[in-house]
Amino acid sequence: TQLLEQSPQFLSIQEGENLTVYCNSSSVFSSLQWYRQEPGEGPVLLVTVVTGGEVKKLKRLTFQFGDARKDSSLHITAAQPGDTGLYLCAGGGPNSKLTFGKGITLSVRP
Amino acid sequence: NAGVTQTPKFQVLKTGQSMTLQCAQDMNHEYMSWYRQDPGMGLRLIHYSVGAGITDQGEVPNGYNVSRSTTEDFPLRLLSAAPSQTSVYFCASSQQGGKSIQYFGAGTRLSVL
Repeated sequence: TQLLEQSPQFLSIQEGENLTVYCNSSSVFSSLQWYRQEPGEGPVLLVTVVTGGEVKKLKRLTFQFGDARKDSSLHITAAQPGDTGLYLCAGGGPNSKLTFGKGITLSVRP
Repeated sequence: NAGVTQTPKFQVLKTGQSMTLQCAQDMNHEYMSWYRQDPGMGLRLIHYSVGAGITDQGEVPNGYNVSRSTTEDFPLRLLSAAPSQTSVYFCASSQQGGKSIQYFGAGTRLSVL
């Protein structure tokens, strides 16, 4: 069974601060996705990374896939209240199934 | 742009009742899946389908049945609801699963009393 551990589980920061959160596994994944979910809604894809060492930027969000394709990080620069939500990572495995981590609840205070 | 549509949005059942959660997508995606989301547990895969007529079990399939008679629809059946099935259920579709973008519905919030 492939497992994804996300850390920290909860994070509350002030607007304007920087933060980094993590998604780690002992298993190799063919791809890794990050989703953001807001209350009462379904998750929405932010990014997909497929190559070890890959870095992708989405405005103030920077995503990195580990060289061994076992882990990923998400860095947010100058966090805004609109960044508040649940961040989920998901690893692509056999039979095209996705394994989700438990999520990171981020709260950005104005 | 309908995307993935789930009905109903909310449902309350008594223990032992049966019901079907509906999921429809209009993107001609082959891959569809059902997840449940519980506090502190993330999203857990219940059942998935890689195309019409093909279904398979995910991580937590017990107590749930699915069928895929058309590309568009992927209903989830609870045969005899139990309080442990109280959860938020999400349906998702994608072109291929895995690396493909998963498009999620807005969820069905189910309470079993």
